[in-house]
Amino acid sequence: EADIYQTPRYLVIGTGKKITLECSQTMGHDKMYWYQQDPGMELHLIHYSYGVNSTEKGDLSSESTVSRIRTEHFPLTLESARPSHTSQYLCASSETPRDNSYNEQFFGPGTRLTVL
Amino acid sequence: KNQVEQSPQSLIILEGKNCTLQCNYTVSPFSNLRWYKQDTGRGPVSLTIMTFSENTKSNGRYTATLDADTKQSSLHITASQLSDSASYICVVSDRGSTLGRLYFGRGTQLTVWP
Repeated sequence: EADIYQTPRYLVIGTGKKITLECSQTMGHDKMYWYQQDPGMELHLIHYSYGVNSTEKGDLSSESTVSRIRTEHFPLTLESARPSHTSQYLCASSETPRDNSYNEQFFGPGTRLTVL
Repeated sequence: KNQVEQSPQSLIILEGKNCTLQCNYTVSPFSNLRWYKQDTGRGPVSLTIMTFSENTKSNGRYTATLDADTKQSSLHITASQLSDSASYICVVSDRGSTLGRLYFGRGTQLTVWP
């Protein structure tokens, strides 16, 4: 069982509210990721981080923002939630492989966000 | 067009039966292929990872195969159990970036009936 945690697990919120989805990992991994997943669809990378103070946008454009002030913490923020933001948000982490091989990504349980 | 295609989209089998899930990909260059199991409302959990030189890998009742020439992979589940009900996602990683970009399939939703 990977030690990566997400809170809240479920969130129902009204349009226009500011929300922060929390993600923490205790494995000391340098890389962290946020994915968005709609039912029956593939995961889409929306943000990633190579390490502290490093954040990059992923393949899917997102109005959310992220920060990486501590290695273990990678929160995602929506300043003004809209119904189009309704989705499942998955956080993941990985370490840089020492031998230039693949980097296993470990996923958190996800946050199911519903914006009314 | 998604670079990782999975079939079937959904599958129902009876407990104790075997099944095989398919994955075709066009990702290039290729680094590795992974199969994940995602229970409803949970994050994906890795089952197997195969690199270019590996053509089969097992994890308990799960056996994955890879044909890098035809860019096809399969996941075979033996003696299915009710707990195997989940979405099985094929993921391909390229060599093209330090991030090791992952390309996700949409998954095969497997339901095992008693």
